[in-house]
Amino acid sequence: KAGVTQTPRYLIKTRGQQVTLSCSPISGHRSVSWYQQTPGQGLQFLFEYFSETQRNKGNFPGRFSGRQFSNSRSEMNVSTLELGDSALYLCASSFGSLKGDEQYFGPGTRLTVT
Amino acid sequence: GENVEQHPSTLSVQEGDSAVIKCTYSDSASNYFPWYKQELGKRPQLIIDIRSNVGEKKDQRIAVTLNKTAKHFSLHITETQPEDSAVYFCAASRTGGGADGLTFGKGTHLIIQP
Repeated sequence: KAGVTQTPRYLIKTRGQQVTLSCSPISGHRSVSWYQQTPGQGLQFLFEYFSETQRNKGNFPGRFSGRQFSNSRSEMNVSTLELGDSALYLCASSFGSLKGDEQYFGPGTRLTVT
Repeated sequence: GENVEQHPSTLSVQEGDSAVIKCTYSDSASNYFPWYKQELGKRPQLIIDIRSNVGEKKDQRIAVTLNKTAKHFSLHITETQPEDSAVYFCAASRTGGGADGLTFGKGTHLIIQP
């Protein structure tokens, strides 16, 4: 079956702008998590959505937000972009069981803020 | 919150030798510990995971051990091959990542010398 997909793959934005990234999970997966990957901070958890509800969020400012649609596709939005937001944004999907299940990552969106 | 330390940051081994990467975690409630492999420019790929009710898990040349009392877990790769060269990340979570997100280590760059 098809893997996790993300669009767009690359983005260049200017400071102060906003951006929306999209993630389509593996068919049947209802949980989508978002991560930020940078050389300095590594992989950091942003938030997770399950059945259109945010269940948990990491330690990021309110400029980072997300949502999930009824087909489990998810979007994340970053407003008022800062240079430090330049990163690879990865989403991961899973069935979302509270007993624990594997997360599978998408290819990521490379965001460059100038 | 959870904190995951990973060592070493870089590991160089001769082809055919074994490689060991170690991680420690801080949250005693964590019970799911996956390992991801990320090749340059590609997405993280789950290679093996272990849950807290198991002390060791093996999959061909890869094994993971978990010591819940000491709060550390390790990845063992035997008979290393050139295609094992990549960055490896350990992670921990309470519920398996689907609900509360994965906390990652900073990564180990594994270099296989021919």
